[in-house]
Amino acid sequence: EPEVTQTPSHQVTQMGQEVILRCVPISNHLYFYWYRQILGQKVEFLVSFYNNEISEKSEIFDDQFSVERPDGSNFTLKIRSTKLEDSAMYFCASSGMGLNLQETQYFGPGTRLLVL
Amino acid sequence: RKEVEQDPGPFNVPEGATVAFNCTYSNSASQSFFWYRQDCRKEPKLLMSVYSSGNEDGRFTAQLNRASQYISLLIRDSKLSDSATYLCVVMGSSYKLIFGSGTRLLVRP
Repeated sequence: EPEVTQTPSHQVTQMGQEVILRCVPISNHLYFYWYRQILGQKVEFLVSFYNNEISEKSEIFDDQFSVERPDGSNFTLKIRSTKLEDSAMYFCASSGMGLNLQETQYFGPGTRLLVL
Repeated sequence: RKEVEQDPGPFNVPEGATVAFNCTYSNSASQSFFWYRQDCRKEPKLLMSVYSSGNEDGRFTAQLNRASQYISLLIRDSKLSDSATYLCVVMGSSYKLIFGSGTRLLVRP
């Protein structure tokens, strides 16, 4: 069964450093998303991406965040200058295109980011 | 009012029990609804979509009441492996998913 993959599984960084989280969505999917989950809290939407541009972003997704699809397979989330409050699990998701396929989002296993 | 609201639980039930979870959502224009399951420190996984007419998948039954903006999930004959957090999810604009905080289920032997 096709799956979304994410690397790294864990990342520890110092406050103020840049991090790039990587995702490989399911190969024929066209919609890509990033979500985050702070420990003990709910999953929160960050950004959606389609046709090489951002479709929507939340208020969490400020100027420190950016997304990119640098080639045909990877989808990345960059945090330019990390803050302590960026510590969370970051999930990538993708969905296909079709009457129902478009609605089902498949999540990757997540990258646990710890900012010290 | 929270966009998606759930009772956090935990619900502690014996194997074989029937358990029901409820969820309310605030946006009456919402069109798509889901139940996801999340195991500890893992990614959310789709359990089932929720359709207006109600739908069943094995031991799981989901219901939607648009007038009351209420979604439910019924689990029959609970198994130990059902222990997890159940996330009520509503689709918003640009296909983003809006998650509830989850209801924790513990099934004991």
